[in-house]
Amino acid sequence: DAGITQSPRHKVTETGTPVTLRCHQTENHRYMYWYRQDPGHGLRLIHYSYGVKDTDKGEVSDGYSVSRSKTEDFLLTLESATSSQTSVYFCAISLTLRLAGGQNEQFFGPGTRLTVL
Amino acid sequence: DQQVKQNSPSLSVQEGRISILNCDYTNSMFDYFLWYKKYPAEGPTFLISISSIKDKNEDGRFTVFLNKSAKHLSLHIVPSQPGDSAVYFCAASNSNDYKLSFGAGTTVTVRA
Repeated sequence: DAGITQSPRHKVTETGTPVTLRCHQTENHRYMYWYRQDPGHGLRLIHYSYGVKDTDKGEVSDGYSVSRSKTEDFLLTLESATSSQTSVYFCAISLTLRLAGGQNEQFFGPGTRLTVL
Repeated sequence: DQQVKQNSPSLSVQEGRISILNCDYTNSMFDYFLWYKKYPAEGPTFLISISSIKDKNEDGRFTVFLNKSAKHLSLHIVPSQPGDSAVYFCAASNSNDYKLSFGAGTTVTVRA
């Protein structure tokens, strides 16, 4: 199993409060991703990182920011949590952009269940 | 607008029979396709993949078929086992991009 941990695993917070989720990897993979999983939507990309201090937006980035100051850590911050951000959040990593044949397996962490009241 | 669609939210199959999961995509630039399996309270795990230069890839009980002209792929599980009960996600990517687009998932239940 890829060495990916997420913390916290569960969190309940109130509307308007800031929340930071942490993803930590021990694989030294360059690429890291944050997804949210919601019923009927599968996994949707929030933000991703292609290196230290190099990040970009995904398809559902509004209300979220990220930071990556070290290869192993990728933080997701909800500046002011809203009830629509209640979800399960997954971090993922991948080794490279392209391997032979264009492969791009991503390896996922165990997830963080966030409830915003 | 979802570029990867799994139109069957659930599938129930008897143990020992074949499970067939379907996935359609709209983006003709996709050239690499993956299936992930997810148990409750765990992260998705990679199951099998296929490049657009192939039309079939097999790994043990799991086979993925790709029909590029129809923009359709399917995952066959033969024979189905109780441990296969999980949510299966189809995903697609362009080899010039490291982002994956996921379908909404299909929940498979294998009955004893």
